[in-house]
This record gives sequence, structure tokens and C-alpha cells, in this order.
Amino acid sequence: RKEVEQDPGPFNVPEGATVAFNCTYSNSASQSFFWYRQDCRKEPKLLMSVYSSGNEDGRFTAQLNRASQYISLLIRDSKLSDSATYLCVVNGMDSSYKLIFGSGTRLLVRP
Amino acid sequence: DGGITQSPKYLFRKEGQNVTLSCEQNLNHDAMYWYRQDPGQGLRLIYYSQIVNDFQKGDIAEGYSVSREKKESFPLTVTSAQKNPTAFYLCASSIAGAPPYNEQFFGPGTRLTVL
Repeated sequence: RKEVEQDPGPFNVPEGATVAFNCTYSNSASQSFFWYRQDCRKEPKLLMSVYSSGNEDGRFTAQLNRASQYISLLIRDSKLSDSATYLCVVNGMDSSYKLIFGSGTRLLVRP
Repeated sequence: DGGITQSPKYLFRKEGQNVTLSCEQNLNHDAMYWYRQDPGQGLRLIYYSQIVNDFQKGDIAEGYSVSREKKESFPLTVTSAQKNPTAFYLCASSIAGAPPYNEQFFGPGTRLTVL
């Protein structure tokens, strides 16, 4: 089983739609959870950290479910500029210093 | 402006040559990391360093070497022993290695192509 698993997509949605991505992780002792955004041929950029209580940043909401070992990202009112690959990131089994990156979920927002 | 710089942006190498990729940060971060990304795949950790003059192998260290002589610099050498070096190389840094300071910030990357 991979340490971090994501649906590769693509998720193809119209502008204004709400879309949600889930990600499962295998290390029940993980303490750090993040969502990164990566545009084509660019570096990943931190979108948001995911806290136990959940957190929201504008149109983006992240949730953590420790019991089921998954994290989610909800994007409301999708914009064309949201088209990107979203990477789920969790700290690794053998060290809290190592982050494990999922392969990403691709989002395409159409006009 | 604070940030992470990588150079060059594109690099072409002949088989059998060693090449060194530069990574510099002025964020005063203690921890630095090197990743490799292949098309359609996630990032894989090559090496990481939590402090000057110390570094650890990541998951795919074979054929690579690093040094950490200064806090702001973490160069990566891709040696001729690396059998499939063509990839997108990303350098990152974080305040520290442990939560809650382990959010990583990335440089723009170097695309290495072996001819």
C-alpha cells in the first residue's frame, strides 16, 4: 500500500462548481498534513496546512479525519485559475522530518 | 525578496558526466531537501539536511551526492552512476524538520536532460 494515495483524476468541472478531493494515508502516527498546488512544469506551492479542527482559507476548506486516515480539500466556486494538480502531503513513517507527497489529483475547470 | 533560487533552469548533460545543481535560500531555514519528479509521478526524496555539515539519504540517494557547508546552500551533484537522471529536480527548505515548522517551500526547479 502506498503511504499516500490520491485519485489522479482529472476532475473536469465547470466554473462555479464545488469540487472535493480526498487523500488517504497509511501512517496512523502522522502529525503533519498539507495540500500543495502544482501548475504544469512548475514547482509545488503550499496551499494550506491541515489542522485537526479543519481549516478554511477563502474558497478552500481542508479537513482531517484521523480515525479513517484521510484528508480532504473542498474548493467552492471554482475559477479557471484553479486548474492545477493538487498534491496531498503527509509526514513519513520513519521520520517526522520527511514529507511524503502523493502523486496528485488533476483539476480542470472549464468556462 | 526572500526565497529559494535554483540554477540553472535547464541543464543538458552527456552520458558519463557529473553535473552539479545549485540551490540557495535566504529564508534563514535550517532544513533543506532535494527531490526528483518524473512525469506523472509524485516527488521522491533524494537527500535532506537538517543542519549545516549534516545530511541524510532519502529514498533514492544512489547516484547522487550533496554537501551542506553553508546554511543557505545545498548543492546536488548528479553523478555518472545515476542510471536514469533525466528528470525535474526540486530543492526545498523549511524552518526546521519537525512539526509544526516543517512546511516546505520550493525553488523553481532544474530540468535535467541527458543526451
